[in-house]
Amino acid sequence: AQTVTQSQPEMSVQEAETVTLSCTYDTSENNYYLFWYKQPPSRQMILVIRQEAYKQQNATENRFSVNFQKAAKSFSLKISDSQLGDTAMYFCAFMKQGGADGLTFGKGTHLIIQP
Amino acid sequence: NAGVMQNPRHLVRRRGQEARLRCSPMKGHSHVYWYRQLPEEGLKFMVYLQKENIIDESGMPKERFSAEFPKEGPSILRIQQVVRGDSAAYFCASSRSGTGGSGGNQPQHFGDGTRLSIL
Repeated sequence: AQTVTQSQPEMSVQEAETVTLSCTYDTSENNYYLFWYKQPPSRQMILVIRQEAYKQQNATENRFSVNFQKAAKSFSLKISDSQLGDTAMYFCAFMKQGGADGLTFGKGTHLIIQP
Repeated sequence: NAGVMQNPRHLVRRRGQEARLRCSPMKGHSHVYWYRQLPEEGLKFMVYLQKENIIDESGMPKERFSAEFPKEGPSILRIQQVVRGDSAAYFCASSRSGTGGSGGNQPQHFGDGTRLSIL
């Protein structure tokens, strides 16, 4: 079984700053996918970014980028030029190839962007 | 271009009643996943279904819980004889069919969830 650990229960930064959310995971799988999901107060689950384990290049989506270190089993999320609308719970998630047993989520990091 | 539709958004039941939660996947998606989120927790996988088949139900409680995804109509998560501990948000996600027919390499898109409250 795999586990996902998010060691920062809460973080707070000023608007326009850069913030990095950490995530580590444990698995014996070689082929898998990693995700960051955002859950704002509306409680929707919104996919932020996705990384395939076989790709060495770090995924980037506009202001969001990841630092994927496969050997260290680390998958951090960097948010540049943070905005008030980025305030949300952020969940790191793992899924092995094939999709059976679904996504395994961390406990989440509550990110607060201060004006 | 509708996303994943879950209903109802809120469901209140008394202990011992049955709860039925519905999920219509996105158009073109044939894989459905159900997750449960307890307060202050991340989502926990319950079951993975394709049309008319349960692929993995390793996260489902052994009793009172069942899920189906019929050939026609939405996926249903059914909880019989509900207890207070069943109070949670239940999320459905769907994905396209990926390599080899599994959903494993396709991103999951989530519905807005159903908040189940047990009185």
